[in-house]
Amino acid sequence: ETGVTQSPTHLIKTRGQQVTLRCSSQSGHNTVSWYQQALGQGPQFIFQYYREEENGRGNFPPRFSGLQFPNYSSELNVNALELDDSALYLCASSWTGDEQYFGPGTRLTVT
Amino acid sequence: GENVEQHPSTLSVQEGDSAVIKCTYSDSASNYFPWYKQELGKRPQLIIDIRSNVGEKKDQRIAVTLNKTAKHFSLHITETQPEDSAVYFCAASPYGRGKLTFGQGTILTVHP
Repeated sequence: ETGVTQSPTHLIKTRGQQVTLRCSSQSGHNTVSWYQQALGQGPQFIFQYYREEENGRGNFPPRFSGLQFPNYSSELNVNALELDDSALYLCASSWTGDEQYFGPGTRLTVT
Repeated sequence: GENVEQHPSTLSVQEGDSAVIKCTYSDSASNYFPWYKQELGKRPQLIIDIRSNVGEKKDQRIAVTLNKTAKHFSLHITETQPEDSAVYFCAASPYGRGKLTFGQGTILTVHP
């Protein structure tokens, strides 16, 4: 059984650019959730994908979008990057929606 | 939406002592309550969880209690060890929907 993996590990982008982050879910899991974790804070829910459909969204603007693929891996896309988007982006996979297992995260820095 | 408050923000104990972290939630629809441990620079790790049909759950030195009426739940760590030092997060979500709302975190330091 393989765990949740994310790529890249670190990323530096300039304000206004676009970024794509990737997540491979744990074997057997069909649900992927994305979270943003600012320094010193708890993770904040961005959105969830279940069987390739968005299945709920947190309080994030439309420039945060995502995809889930038939193999249940997922992408998070952020357009028009802002300085406040600098954070650790975590994905978590699960079978039922609960018992979420997190990946190591992608550290995004926007300058 | 759901709001989760976590206390204390920092907790310092001596090795062998017990540690208790408390969380309150606002949405009565929430019925799944996990706890995560996050070491510096690492991913959050699920350490224990509880569902609303249960009042208490134990796993070795870790236990979680839930009071649905008062909308609060707590993490109890007994016989603490230096390797328990980390940031602990509580979270809540409506069952089966997995949209976790996290607390602000508690930095636990266990002194040898």
